[in-house]
Amino acid sequence: QQPVQSPQAVILREGEDAVINCSSSKALYSVHWYRQKHGEAPVFLMILLKGGEQKGHEKISASFNEKKQQSSLYLTASQLSYSGTYFCGTEGGGSYIPTFGRGTSLIVHP
Amino acid sequence: GAVVSQHPSWVICKSGTSVKIECRSLDFQATTMFWYRQFPKQSLMLMATSNEGSKATYEQGVEKDKFLINHASLTLSTLTVTSAHPEDSSFYICSASPFRYADGYTFGSGTRLTVV
Repeated sequence: QQPVQSPQAVILREGEDAVINCSSSKALYSVHWYRQKHGEAPVFLMILLKGGEQKGHEKISASFNEKKQQSSLYLTASQLSYSGTYFCGTEGGGSYIPTFGRGTSLIVHP
Repeated sequence: GAVVSQHPSWVICKSGTSVKIECRSLDFQATTMFWYRQFPKQSLMLMATSNEGSKATYEQGVEKDKFLINHASLTLSTLTVTSAHPEDSSFYICSASPFRYADGYTFGSGTRLTVV
């Protein structure tokens, strides 16, 4: 079953922060986050495994609450290059093939 | 990091013809590859999972005879859209299971198929 992402869209100014959420109705083994630019393939950002992981790289970080079957992606001090559609992919419920959410469109203005 | 090369990037074909899309893992062996279809502003919908040397596993609702998948080697998987129709026009993306799980799934660059 497809994970649910919120919000559907976010519009920011450079330097502002954003949070994108991903929730699932099934027990999760892992959550992946990807960013896709228009007309391009998704690019892997990070993966979080069950065990309550939190990780980050530069100004993008994520957390995974396996009990709530939720993950959040945090974008701090957003840059123009952060614009794109963010997808979470979840593995769980007996399947190790990621199922993707509908995506969150992020637009960063100067 | 792992690279998956997908060709062509775009193709325009006439209705009724067949189109082949290739996906190659360049610096690793991909035992499993996934094929997705993406409509504008929508999510990645898994079409099928292909394992090297065996028949692909198709998702419910995907026509096996229309979308032929071949995974003849550890580095190459192909998707052939047979007897294409305008409703098959879409963005098709492949991805390979990670060499290292922590690296996540690597996607090809995608193929924009337009059937006229």
